[in-house]
Amino acid sequence: QVQLQQPGAELVKPGASVKLSCKASGYTFTSYWMHWVKLRPGQGFEWIGEINPSNGGTNYNEKFKRKATLTVDKSSSTAYMQLSSLTSEDSAVYYCTIPYGNSYFDYWGQGTTLTVSS
Amino acid sequence: DIQMTQSPASLSVSVGETVTITCRASENIYSNLAWYQQKQGKSPQLLVYAATNLADGVPSRFSGSGSGTQYSLKINSLQSEDFGSYYCQHFWGTPWTFGGGTKLEIK
Repeated sequence: QVQLQQPGAELVKPGASVKLSCKASGYTFTSYWMHWVKLRPGQGFEWIGEINPSNGGTNYNEKFKRKATLTVDKSSSTAYMQLSSLTSEDSAVYYCTIPYGNSYFDYWGQGTTLTVSS
Repeated sequence: DIQMTQSPASLSVSVGETVTITCRASENIYSNLAWYQQKQGKSPQLLVYAATNLADGVPSRFSGSGSGTQYSLKINSLQSEDFGSYYCQHFWGTPWTFGGGTKLEIK
């Protein structure tokens, strides 16, 4: 069955960078764009961007173009999102998700809770 | 960016009641709309896609309707497992944006 595995939590210091992972299994990794979504309490969900695992092509939400960098490792079926110059505004839950069955986000990772704190 | 305005922000209801949540888009999204349910600490679960289609395994008490800029999610005969938060999301051109959410609580 389709699974997207994400680490539960990351704690990083302000100003640092972090690389979040999403390991896919149960389907052909290169067949579906991988998307990343941010959830901050009180702020709602924000779509960060997407990456085509087949060729590395990306599309970003303009708001996150200077914050996030999406990459993949096809050999391990893992997608990554690097977040740079972290501030408290980046503290949130980050989900990976794919439009698998019907072109909508029907499979989601468990989410990684990122805490930016000194 | 397309703005998604969801209402109400919160709702307190009893088991067995019927509720309707609405979502208004700032422009025509041609039924490219999804509804999700999210329980505390869990990932979102797709309920409805393309405005009116139930996702696999979703009970028939859920239904989606609407077109153009106005959409609704209706839950008939609420069950205890239906309490949580609900979100709409459009899929008409990036960036895909979400409604602010509706928190459904037990009265």
